Amino acid sequence: QVQLKESGPGLVQPSETLSLTCTVSGFSLTSYSVSWVRQPSGKGPEWMGRMWYDGDTAYNSALKSRLSISRDTSKNQVFLKMNSLQTDDTGTYYCTRDRATTVAVFDYWGQGVMVTVSS
Amino acid sequence: DIQMTQSPTSLAASVGESVTITCLASEDIYGSLVWYQQKPGKSPQLLIYGATILEDGIPSRFSGSGSDTQYSLKINSLQPEDFASYYCQNGLSTPWTFGGGTKLELK
Repeated sequence: QVQLKESGPGLVQPSETLSLTCTVSGFSLTSYSVSWVRQPSGKGPEWMGRMWYDGDTAYNSALKSRLSISRDTSKNQVFLKMNSLQTDDTGTYYCTRDRATTVAVFDYWGQGVMVTVSS
Repeated sequence: DIQMTQSPTSLAASVGESVTITCLASEDIYGSLVWYQQKPGKSPQLLIYGATILEDGIPSRFSGSGSDTQYSLKINSLQPEDFASYYCQNGLSTPWTFGGGTKLELK
């Protein structure tokens, strides 16, 4: 069955870099795109960026200068790196599978990883 | 960016009642509207895409409607497991934006 699982540190210092890994199973990264979505506590989700099935990337312009998404298809992993973290980057970070292509339908979500930005 | 505005932000209802949640897009999204349900401490779950298409396994008491900029999610005959938060999402163009959510609570 389709599964996604995020991993990474729960606590990051302000101004430091966040590195997260999404490990997927049950589908191929060369057939489906994977997006990163984050959600501050009590608020709506925010789409951060997408790793397309063909290896291309797309980013939310609000985060583009700080964000990088990459992948290792041999390990079924998608990576997120975001630098210059601030306290308002605190929240739960999810990786999701995109069912569609030109439109976005997030049909499977990982369990999420809670990230706190604090000194 | 396309802004998604949900109303109400919270809603209290009883088991067996029907409720409607609305989502207004800041511009025409041509039916590319997605609805998710999220329970506390859990990941969002896909309910409806393409404004009206029910995801496999989702009960038929959930239905979506709308076009252009205005969309609705209706839940008939509320069940105890339906009390959760609901989010709409613009699926048309990046950045794919979400509404602020509607929290459905038990009256």
